[in-house]
Order: sequence, then C-alpha cells, then structure tokens
Amino acid sequence: TQLLEQSPQFLSIQEGENLTVYCNSSSVFSSLQWYRQEPGEGPVLLVTVVTGGEVKKLKRLTFQFGDARKDSSLHITAAQPGDTGLYLCAGAGSGNTPLVFGKGTRLSVIA
Amino acid sequence: SQTIHQWPATLVQPVGSPLSLECTVEGTSNPNLYWYRQAAGRGLQLLFYSVGIGQISSEVPQNLSASRPQDRQFILSSKKLLLSDSGFYLCAWRTGTSGLYEQYFGPGTRLTVT
Repeated sequence: TQLLEQSPQFLSIQEGENLTVYCNSSSVFSSLQWYRQEPGEGPVLLVTVVTGGEVKKLKRLTFQFGDARKDSSLHITAAQPGDTGLYLCAGAGSGNTPLVFGKGTRLSVIA
Repeated sequence: SQTIHQWPATLVQPVGSPLSLECTVEGTSNPNLYWYRQAAGRGLQLLFYSVGIGQISSEVPQNLSASRPQDRQFILSSKKLLLSDSGFYLCAWRTGTSGLYEQYFGPGTRLTVT
C-alpha cells in the first residue's frame, strides 16, 4: 500500500515568514499534485510535478519533486494571511489507480 | 472549460433516512469520477471511483453505494444513514486518458446526520 506522509501537520506563523511543507513516501509516483483547501470548499489544484528534480514556481510558492520521485516539498516565501488553508499532497501511480493523498498540513498565517 | 457541480451544498438528515448526493461534470467526456469523504478538515478518504458508465470500484465497505447512470453523472447513496456518515463529501474528476494526471474537485456537500 502506498502512503504519503506530510509534515508538519499544523503550522502557525507570522505574516512575512517563510515555511516549508514536506511530503514523503517510500513509493515512487509518476507525478505528484499539491492542493490547497479552504474551510467549506473543495481542494484546488495548485501544481502537478512530473519529472524527478523538477521545480515549479507559482508566485511565492515553490514546489519541488524529489530526484527519485518519492518525495516533494512546498516552500512559501513571505507568507500572507491569504495563504492560510489545508495543503494536501497527492501521488499518482500508473493507469487509472486513484491518487494517494497525504493527511494534509494545516497552515495558519497570522497578520 | 470543465466544471463540476455537486448538490446539495448542505444537508441535515435524521439517522435511518435515505441519502442521495449528485455530482455532474461538464465540458469533458469519459472522465474518471471519484467520491471522497473528509472528516474534521483533515485528509481525504476515497469511497468510490468509476472509470466508465456502470463501473464502480468500492474502496471502503460501509452502508454507502455509488452509481454512474450517465457518462458525466456520479451519485452517492445510502438506504439508511448512520451518525458516522456525517462529514464533508467531495466529488472529483480527471480525464480518463493517460498522461498528465490532474484531478479536480467539486465544491462539496456538508452532510450532518442527527
């Protein structure tokens, strides 16, 4: 069974600080997705990384896929209150296999 | 562009009553469809998924069932709700073809069983 471990589970920081969220597995994934979810809403896809070592940037968010495609990280620079939410990583296997989701990191950015 | 709809947005039902949640996708054909449940704002639990009309895979044995009567319609049902069925139910879709795996979620249904 494939598992994705996210850390930390909870993170509370001041506006302007930097942070990194980690997503780790012993399994290899064909791609990995990051989502952000706000209370009472569905998760929103932020990015998909496919190639080992790939780095993608989305404004102040930087996503990296590990060289072996077993892990990923999300780095936020100068966090803002609007970054508050639940961040979920999800790994894709082959074919029609459903995504494997981590349990999420709940981020709170205090103004 | 593709959109996904879920209804109702919120639902309060007594224990023992039936349930029907509906999800429809627009702007794509032959999508893979998924039902998830989320408790306490944490991780997602996959309940059912479907790769085509009439094809349902169940991930968790429980008193829920799913059906896919049309290509872009996915229904979650129960004959008798339990208190433990309360939660946030999310429908999702992805293209059924191989390649870049991108999955999109609907707005969710908040179910409270009383």
